[in-house]
Amino acid sequence: DAGITQSPRYKITETGRQVTLMCHQTWSHSYMFWYRQDLGHGLRLIYYSAAADITDKGEVPDGYVVSRSKTENFPLTLESATRSQTSVYFCASGRQETNTEAFFGQGTRLTVV
Amino acid sequence: AQSVTQLGSHVSVSEGALVLLRCNYSSSVPPYLFWYVQYPNQGLQLLLKYTTGATLVKGINGFEAEFKKSETSFHLTKPSAHMSDAAEYFCAVSPTGGGNKLTFGTGTQLKVEL
Repeated sequence: DAGITQSPRYKITETGRQVTLMCHQTWSHSYMFWYRQDLGHGLRLIYYSAAADITDKGEVPDGYVVSRSKTENFPLTLESATRSQTSVYFCASGRQETNTEAFFGQGTRLTVV
Repeated sequence: AQSVTQLGSHVSVSEGALVLLRCNYSSSVPPYLFWYVQYPNQGLQLLLKYTTGATLVKGINGFEAEFKKSETSFHLTKPSAHMSDAAEYFCAVSPTGGGNKLTFGTGTQLKVEL
C-alpha cells in the first residue's frame, strides 16, 4: 500500500546502545522529516531532508544521526541511547512545493531503560 | 524564528457544544498555517490548512479555521462537538520561504462529554 511506514512501532533499548528507527515512503516525496513528541513540548523537529543525500539539522539534533541514500528511506539512528531520548518518534514526508502539508507515519514509541 | 502558542492544553466541551481551540503564531512574515489531529496511538492527520486566498478555511469532519493577520491567530472551530472529536489537536506553521519545516504548538487535548 502507498504511504509512509515506520518500523518498529515499539522499541525498548538499554542506555548506551545504538538503535535505528526506519522510515519508508512510497510517494516519492522530496522532503522527509523526523520529529519527536514529548508531553508539554508538542512535536519538535530533529532532522529533515530536502532530497536524497541532503540533510539538515532541526531544533533538537544532538544525539541523532540521519542518512538518506534513497529518496524513499530516511533512517534515524541514536548512536548511544540515553533516557532523555525516550519519546515517540514520528517520520513525515512532503512534496517540494512550499504550501503543502506533511504526511505522518504512525510513530515509533522508544523507551530507553 | 517562528513559534506557535496554543492556549489551553486541555479543553472540555459537551457533546453538541461549540468547539474553539486557540492558536497564535509569531513570525516575521505570515506563514502557512495548519491544524492537525492526533487520535490515540496514531500519527497526525491534517485537518485543514491556510496558504493563500480566503482566510476562512474549511477542513474535514466539520472543522474550520480563520486566519486573522492582525491578531496573528488561526483558531480552530466546530459548531457542534461529537464524541468522535475527542483527540489531541496541534497547530503548526511553516515558512513561506521554503523548507516545509513545520513548527508545532504544544497541543490541545479535547475532551467531549455527554
